[in-house]
Amino acid sequence: EIRLLESGGGLVQPGGSLRLSCAASGFSFNTYAMSWVRQTPGKGLEWVSTINNPGSSTDYADSVKGRFTISRDNSKNTVFLQMNSLRPEDTALYYCAKGGARWTYFDYWGRGTLVTVSS
Amino acid sequence: QSALTQPASVSGSPGQSITISCTGTSSDIGGYDFVFWYQQHPGKAPKLMIYEVSNRPSGVPDRFSGSKSGNTASLTISGLQTEDEADYYCSSYTTRDTVVFGGGTTLTVL
Repeated sequence: EIRLLESGGGLVQPGGSLRLSCAASGFSFNTYAMSWVRQTPGKGLEWVSTINNPGSSTDYADSVKGRFTISRDNSKNTVFLQMNSLRPEDTALYYCAKGGARWTYFDYWGRGTLVTVSS
Repeated sequence: QSALTQPASVSGSPGQSITISCTGTSSDIGGYDFVFWYQQHPGKAPKLMIYEVSNRPSGVPDRFSGSKSGNTASLTISGLQTEDEADYYCSSYTTRDTVVFGGGTTLTVL
């Protein structure tokens, strides 16, 4: 069974930092791209970032470029999202998602970790 | 990148068919056959229902089907069941090497 378990969310002040982690199991982790997708409370989904399977290539949404960094440790089946210079508009539920045969879609999702940016 | 455009809500009765539209541009939906649909029940993670316009992952009922014409994609659910009541999101790959989602559509099964 494929499982994705996010952690690291919490309450942080504007301008602060958080590091999210996603522990994966049940599949060959180093074969698939991994992504983060966020959902604002009561609103829709927003793709945040993707990293390819070896970890050599990354992509970011314009809204987080220069502030967020995605990385992965294939030896530990874990993907990370380092979030710096956080803004109130970054408040959301952050999902970790496994890429399908192409990175452009997400065939398994975690349950999410909530990030709240507020003073 | 602007979000894809979906109707805020649709409704139907059990057994009926409904279609949810998703409109983009030539830079996303119109440019690639990389359109995807996700179902999300309240308090749950999204679930992939359709990939690459019209393909169903294993386990998704054949009542769900997808199509595309020009810059607009569609999800059709036939033989509506009460458990189909959920939010539905479309997404597409874009020319900027990003993924964009629609705003979501709430399906109510009356």
